[in-house]
Amino acid sequence: NAGVTQTPKFQVLKTGQSMTLQCAQDMNHEYMSWYRQDPGMGLRLIHYSVGAGITDQGEVPNGYNVSRSTTEDFPLRLLSAAPSQTSVYFCASSYNYNMIQETQYFGPGTRLLVL
Amino acid sequence: SQQGEEDPQALSIQEGENATMNCSYKTSINNLQWYRQNSGRGLVHLILIRSNEREKHSGRLRVTLDTSKKSSSLLITASRAADTASYFCATCRSNDYKLSFGAGTTVTVRA
Repeated sequence: NAGVTQTPKFQVLKTGQSMTLQCAQDMNHEYMSWYRQDPGMGLRLIHYSVGAGITDQGEVPNGYNVSRSTTEDFPLRLLSAAPSQTSVYFCASSYNYNMIQETQYFGPGTRLLVL
Repeated sequence: SQQGEEDPQALSIQEGENATMNCSYKTSINNLQWYRQNSGRGLVHLILIRSNEREKHSGRLRVTLDTSKKSSSLLITASRAADTASYFCATCRSNDYKLSFGAGTTVTVRA
């Protein structure tokens, strides 16, 4: 299994541009999530999905959209990039939404720089 | 807001010594998890402890949980250079499907 994959690894955007960060997993996991990691702040949850067709907001959802049309893919869209969205973005997945017994598997991250 | 807070923020130890870091949280939890992040990489799950457990071991790792104090500790025994990383605690609250991460403890193991 490839696990959780993310593309691109690094991206530079200009303010106002839009882009999609891709995330895919081949473990048939129901639960997928997006985090951003900023220095000194740990990881903050942006959006999550408990299954295909179901998404919900996390701690910092503003400026980001998600959709979950398949079990495997969970893309994150930046509609109009802002310098405040400069960060490292991590996608994660776990077997199902019952977090009681679960661990999350993380992708390698996407470094985004917004100028 | 972040649920978990790690202490200390940074820790430097000699190879072979033990490293201890703590995590405090604010609300009731289902479980608490510890993750490791090597520089420039994604997070790797280390250990999960449920709210009805008090201690758990995995290799050189020992985790304790005190729900009355809303705190957890991670002990790494006989540290190695490869243990140099950032360590994060993450809590799963009782009433939702989200993990909340702390800011992490950066551990440096000197040869």
